[in-house]
Amino acid sequence: EDQVTQSPEALRLQEGESSSLNCSYTVSGLRGLFWYRQDPGKGPEFLFTLYSAGEEKEKERLKATLTKKESFLHITAPKPEDSATYLCAVQASSNYQLIWGAGTKLIIKP
Amino acid sequence: DSGVTQTPKHLITATGQRVTLRCSPRSGDLSVYWYQQSLDQGLQFLIQYYNGEERAKGNILERFSAQQFPDLHSELNLSSLELGDSALYFCASSPEGLTDTQYFGPGTRLTVL
Repeated sequence: EDQVTQSPEALRLQEGESSSLNCSYTVSGLRGLFWYRQDPGKGPEFLFTLYSAGEEKEKERLKATLTKKESFLHITAPKPEDSATYLCAVQASSNYQLIWGAGTKLIIKP
Repeated sequence: DSGVTQTPKHLITATGQRVTLRCSPRSGDLSVYWYQQSLDQGLQFLIQYYNGEERAKGNILERFSAQQFPDLHSELNLSSLELGDSALYFCASSPEGLTDTQYFGPGTRLTVL
């Protein structure tokens, strides 16, 4: 069964304290892995798409990496405005639907 | 701003009632997706339309239905509402509806009393 697991469920950091969020997946062939950011009560905001192992993408303080079994979202020197829930989703080769993780709630304290 | 619009922003109704949620996709996008997100729950895929035709179905209840019109806007109809239907309902759109990125609207918050 295709599955996506995100860890940790929640992460509290001090401003400037770098860390990583994990997205582990088991799918029968990966078409793509997507990272989104969601603020409370708002729609998910697209961040990155990764398609193959070894691929990396960066945007400001965020960097996403992909291996054959997991993806990491690295956050460098975070600021309070980076506080949000970060969602990971994968698209399997068996169909085109996205399989979503439960998300990691990131809190950055000033 | 993703370019996807949803109306209304908030909807409060009673059990047993029927409501319609509306979504306008980004300009040029042919595919529309509907999702449900209950409090502290993950995103649940409901249904996808591509250029007016149903393309994929997820965990959509029989009490729920959707359609996509010739101008590509979409409506999600929820009937015989129950307390458990209270949730955020999101619409997303993408150009082709295959491997392309989905862009989400701001959502409609439905409260069933």
